[in-house]
Amino acid sequence: AQTVTQSQPEMSVQEAETVTLSCTYDTSESDYYLFWYKQPPSRQMILVIRQEAYKQQNATENRFSVNFQKAAKSFSLKISDSQLGDAAMYFCAYRSALTEKLVFGKGTKLTVNP
Amino acid sequence: DVKVTQSSRYLVKRTGEKVFLECVQDMDHENMFWYRQDPGLGLRLIYFSYDVKMKEKGDIPEGYSVSREKKERFSLILESASTNQTSMYLCASSFSPGSLSNQPQHFGDGTRLSIL
Repeated sequence: AQTVTQSQPEMSVQEAETVTLSCTYDTSESDYYLFWYKQPPSRQMILVIRQEAYKQQNATENRFSVNFQKAAKSFSLKISDSQLGDAAMYFCAYRSALTEKLVFGKGTKLTVNP
Repeated sequence: DVKVTQSSRYLVKRTGEKVFLECVQDMDHENMFWYRQDPGLGLRLIYFSYDVKMKEKGDIPEGYSVSREKKERFSLILESASTNQTSMYLCASSFSPGSLSNQPQHFGDGTRLSIL
């Protein structure tokens, strides 16, 4: 079974600085999708960014970008120019191309200090 | 925008009660999911459904059942609530465009359920 590991339960960053959240996953499959979700204190889970395993180019969404290393099974999230509104729980998730089910990591709580 | 609505934000029930959590989505999505979220454990899949009247067990289905009579509505049922089912419950939906793609899941606001 696939597993997703987020090794940093908590992280903090100064406003306007850059922070990187780590995610590794374990799979024997070659075709899959990876996602980062954000859950602010208001609780609604919001998609931040997604990556297809067959794409070598790293996905970017405004201040959010990923470093996808397929061979290393690593999928880190970089947040540039951090803002107070970025404070949230961040979850990394894996989905096989064979199913609709997501496998989530345990999350990283990000604090942004003014 | 996709709207996934969970019927209650907070719910308090007693041990042994039958509890219904309701979820409705407005985007005609084929797939719907129920998760529970506990501190330090992330999100764990309870059940999911890929079509009306279809369901599949997730990772932790024990003590739960589901119902999907209409495409837009997916209900989670705690047959006889127990204190270890106190948790945050999240509903999600996603689109299936015929072949699997990078379609994300869209989540509701969650129901914080307390079983006393």
